[in-house]
Amino acid sequence: KQEVTQIPAALSVPEGENLVLNCSFTDSAIYNLQWFRQDPGKGLTSLLLIQSSQREQTSGRLNASLDKSSGRSTLYIAASQPGDSATYLCAVEETSGSRLTFGEGTQLTVNP
Amino acid sequence: KAGVTQTPRYLIKTRGQQVTLSCSPISGHRSVSWYQQTPGQGLQFLFEYFSETQRNKGNFPGRFSGRQFSNSRSEMNVSTLELGDSALYLCASSITLAFTGELFFGEGSRLTVL
Repeated sequence: KQEVTQIPAALSVPEGENLVLNCSFTDSAIYNLQWFRQDPGKGLTSLLLIQSSQREQTSGRLNASLDKSSGRSTLYIAASQPGDSATYLCAVEETSGSRLTFGEGTQLTVNP
Repeated sequence: KAGVTQTPRYLIKTRGQQVTLSCSPISGHRSVSWYQQTPGQGLQFLFEYFSETQRNKGNFPGRFSGRQFSNSRSEMNVSTLELGDSALYLCASSITLAFTGELFFGEGSRLTVL
């Protein structure tokens, strides 16, 4: 059974800092990995999607990497802003089906 | 382009009642999946529908059911509600089924069971 773990569970940083969120998964037979953002009481917003054949994806200040063999992904946020405060979730889509398995998320607070 | 729309956004029920939640996917999307989010269990997959057929089901009791209509709109139903069913229910749509790539989520329906 696939298990997804995110470290740290919570992170508080001053504005402007660069930061890294970590995601690990137990079964490397994945089709893709997605990073989402969730604001309190809201749905999920897709940030980056990395196919299993890719090593990284970039969007603006966000960069996500994927090392499928070691079961790890990182989300790098450059020059963090208070508006980045949210919970960040990673999820893997397994080749055996289209369901997503989510991690518990990292709650990020960026202080002005 | 309208996003995924879920109704109602909030609802309160009592134990033993049933509830029906609705999800309208992005226009042109044929796959709809449902997830339950709770503080203790996180996000868990409920089921997925494609072309009016359930294609995938998570590990939930039979009290949880769903369906998809010909216009791709989907409903999920929970019967004989229990306190533990209190959660945010999220619907997601994608263009196709397996190896769907990017999912687009709605704002969710927050269910409180008293």
